[in-house]
Amino acid sequence: EVQLVESGGGLAQPGGSLRLSCAASGFNFSNYGMNWVRQAPGEGLEWVSYISSAGITIDYALSVKGRFTISRDNVKNSLYLQMHSLRDEDTAVYYCARDSPLDFDWSFGMDVWGPGTTVTVSS
Amino acid sequence: QSVLTQPPSVSGAPGQRVTISCTGSSSNIGKGFDVHWYRQVPGTAPKLLIHGNINRPSGVPDRFSGSKSGTSASLAITGLQAEDEGHYYCQSYDSRLSGSVVFGGGTKVTVL
Repeated sequence: EVQLVESGGGLAQPGGSLRLSCAASGFNFSNYGMNWVRQAPGEGLEWVSYISSAGITIDYALSVKGRFTISRDNVKNSLYLQMHSLRDEDTAVYYCARDSPLDFDWSFGMDVWGPGTTVTVSS
Repeated sequence: QSVLTQPPSVSGAPGQRVTISCTGSSSNIGKGFDVHWYRQVPGTAPKLLIHGNINRPSGVPDRFSGSKSGTSASLAITGLQAEDEGHYYCQSYDSRLSGSVVFGGGTKVTVL
């Protein structure tokens, strides 16, 4: 079964750090680009970051650029999001989502999503 | 304020047809970037409904159809069913953001 499972969420203080993980199974993880998408309480979806299959192409939303770092380990079939300088507005459910095997493939969409992990930033 | 604009809500009776619009601009949908649609039931992860403007992933009923014209796209649901309730999001890419992903604000579909 194709599956993504996030972990690492929790409570962090403003200015603090957290590292999220996303474990992939049931497909060849190294072949696919991956995204992080978040959803603040009661709000819509907000794209956070993208990394290509080999980790060469990386992109961030302006709201997290310079504070968050996306990475992947294709041997461990895992995706990561290192979050620093956390702010109240980073409070959200964070989803990892599978993207196309091809870079700059605008036709694919995000076809597999994990259940999400909750990040709460509060003092 | 989302880059892509969707109506906050639409509703319809069982069996009816409803459409959800997704309005963008010349830097995203109008530039030729594809549009994707997702449905999210509260408390669960989004699910891909339409990709590449018109394509349904396997397992998505043919009651769901997508279209795109100019700077806008639409999702149509025909034969509305109670299980279709949820929030629907469009997604595309924007050249002003170096081709980064952008989402619509979401539309709540209510079956009367």
